[in-house]
Amino acid sequence: EDQVTQSPEALRLQEGESSSLNCSYTVSGLRGLFWYRQDPGKGPEFLFTLYSAGEEKEKERLKATLTKKESFLHITAPKPEDSATYLCAVKAAGNKLTFGGGTRVLVKP
Amino acid sequence: ETGVTQTPRHLVMGMTNKKSLKCEQHLGHNAMYWYKQSAKKPLELMFVYNFKEQTENNSVPSRFSPECPNSSHLFLHLHTLQPEDSALYLCASSQRLAGDSGANVLTFGAGSRLTVL
Repeated sequence: EDQVTQSPEALRLQEGESSSLNCSYTVSGLRGLFWYRQDPGKGPEFLFTLYSAGEEKEKERLKATLTKKESFLHITAPKPEDSATYLCAVKAAGNKLTFGGGTRVLVKP
Repeated sequence: ETGVTQTPRHLVMGMTNKKSLKCEQHLGHNAMYWYKQSAKKPLELMFVYNFKEQTENNSVPSRFSPECPNSSHLFLHLHTLQPEDSALYLCASSQRLAGDSGANVLTFGAGSRLTVL
């Protein structure tokens, strides 16, 4: 069974304090790893897709990386508007995305 | 309107009520999904429709009944729910099925917050 574990569950950062979120996965034949951002009262919003180990993608202060067992979402010099829950999901064979439990990030000014 | 729209945003119902959640997408997508998001639990896939045909029922109790009259609209009919069914119900759509070769991106609605008394 596909499994996705995100850590930490919650992260409190000062503005400008860089940090990383972890997404560990166990799947048979990874077809893609996704990062989503979810703000309170809203649905998840797509950030990145990574397909193979060694791949990296960047968007503003966010950078996602992928190895054969885990993905990291690096937040560089975060701002309060980066506060959200970040969700990781993996796609193996079939039509199903398996989501992790998410990491709640709070960036204080 | 653009994107994925869900109504109502909030719903409170008793265990004997019958209600429906509605989802509409204006993206020209062909696949639609219902997910359940409970506190401190990962998103759970409930149903998948592709070109109006149900392709997946993820062992969901029969008190949840989906309906997809066309590729733009998706409903979730609720009856005889239990308090543990209280959750955020998210609708999503994608250009094609997320499992097709080549990853596909889901666009989510804002969700319907359901409380069962």
